[in-house]
Amino acid sequence: KAGVTQTPRYLIKTRGQQVTLSCSPISGHRSVSWYQQTPGQGLQFLFEYFSETQRNKGNFPGRFSGRQFSNSRSEMNVSTLELGDSALYLCASSSLSGGNYNEQFFGPGTRLTVL
Amino acid sequence: GQQVMQIPQYQHVQEGEDFTTYCNSSTTLSNIQWYKQRPGGHPVFLIQLVKSGEVKKQKRLTFQFGEAKKNSSLHITATQTTDVGTYFCALLINQAGTALIFGKGTTLSVSS
Repeated sequence: KAGVTQTPRYLIKTRGQQVTLSCSPISGHRSVSWYQQTPGQGLQFLFEYFSETQRNKGNFPGRFSGRQFSNSRSEMNVSTLELGDSALYLCASSSLSGGNYNEQFFGPGTRLTVL
Repeated sequence: GQQVMQIPQYQHVQEGEDFTTYCNSSTTLSNIQWYKQRPGGHPVFLIQLVKSGEVKKQKRLTFQFGEAKKNSSLHITATQTTDVGTYFCALLINQAGTALIFGKGTTLSVSS
């Protein structure tokens, strides 16, 4: 089975621009979560989607948004980029709908640099 | 919201020494997961603990969940250079989903 894929792997943008990141979960996985990883803040949860519905949302400003398509692929968008948005953005998929066993399978991430 | 404190932040050991990282919460946890992230890599699931006092072993790795379900630990016996990386504990944000809150992680370095 192919793993979680994320595109692009690297991205350089300037302040004020917007960016869209893509994630394809493992086939059959319906739950997709997004995380931001920075050296200072660590791994922080952005949002989670299940069957095209946002199920949970982290504490990030409205500039961060996401969506999930009927084939479970997910995208996240960051508008009006700020220098502090430079980070590794990780997508994770899970096969179960929730509850007590929900191993997350992470993709390789998208490294976003904002200049 | 829920938080989990993880200590130490960094640990350097000589190859063959043991290593332990701890996670502590002020609230009772339904379960806790552990992940490992190699340098330049992405987090990889190691294990999930659910029951009070649970102890699970994976070769040289021993995972424990406290009796009160407020703390957990990961112990590595006789570290090897392949153990290098950052170890994270994580807990579910809520039972309705699969999203996780991660601890800050413990970065392990091993010298041979």
